[in-house]
Amino acid sequence: NAGVMQNPRHLVRRRGQEARLRCSPMKGHSHVYWYRQLPEEGLKFMVYLQKENIIDESGMPKERFSAEFPKEGPSILRIQQVVRGDSAAYFCASSPTYVADREQFFGPGTRLTVL
Amino acid sequence: AQSVTQLDSHVSVSEGTPVLLRCNYSSSYSPSLFWYVQHPNKGLQLLLKYTSAATLVKGINGFEAEFKKSETSFHLTKPSAHMSDAAEYFCVVSDYPYGNKLVFGAGTILRVKS
Repeated sequence: NAGVMQNPRHLVRRRGQEARLRCSPMKGHSHVYWYRQLPEEGLKFMVYLQKENIIDESGMPKERFSAEFPKEGPSILRIQQVVRGDSAAYFCASSPTYVADREQFFGPGTRLTVL
Repeated sequence: AQSVTQLDSHVSVSEGTPVLLRCNYSSSYSPSLFWYVQHPNKGLQLLLKYTSAATLVKGINGFEAEFKKSETSFHLTKPSAHMSDAAEYFCVVSDYPYGNKLVFGAGTILRVKS
């Protein structure tokens, strides 16, 4: 009964490169959420997806960031042309189709370092 | 929209003494409230949750929290701190019905002295 899986756990990129972060939700979960934790701060919502649909992207930066959750495979958070300010921990969470008590289950996070 | 305020950024206690981490929330709807714990360089673990059932909620590792609507508070307590409790704690409110996202407080770092 695997939990939420994220990979890679650590990612180092140089300024201008692309970063791809992957998230596999818990079995039976069709809702995926991405959060970002900047150094010394709490987590901030970025985007909420269901299979093949973006439901709420109100927390996504307007440029360079995109997310998808295809019919098959993991959810991907993509950051193009990374800058130093993108260095953060990125957490994925999932919830089941029926969200009775709105609990979300978190993965271990991907720690992105931009050199 | 919903929001939470964690009143202390750092709390320091001695091992074996009580822990109190304070949280106030703002919600125009019946809230769902959570406490998550994050150990250094680790993911988040759910300690407990309130979803309009009993106002005193018991969680894992001896933690509990009491929902007080009149005070809009959801403070986290533990009778006796253990060294392994040293971590960062987040008070969280669900954004329902405006959305499905979780809104996090800024966090409280708990230090436990031997």
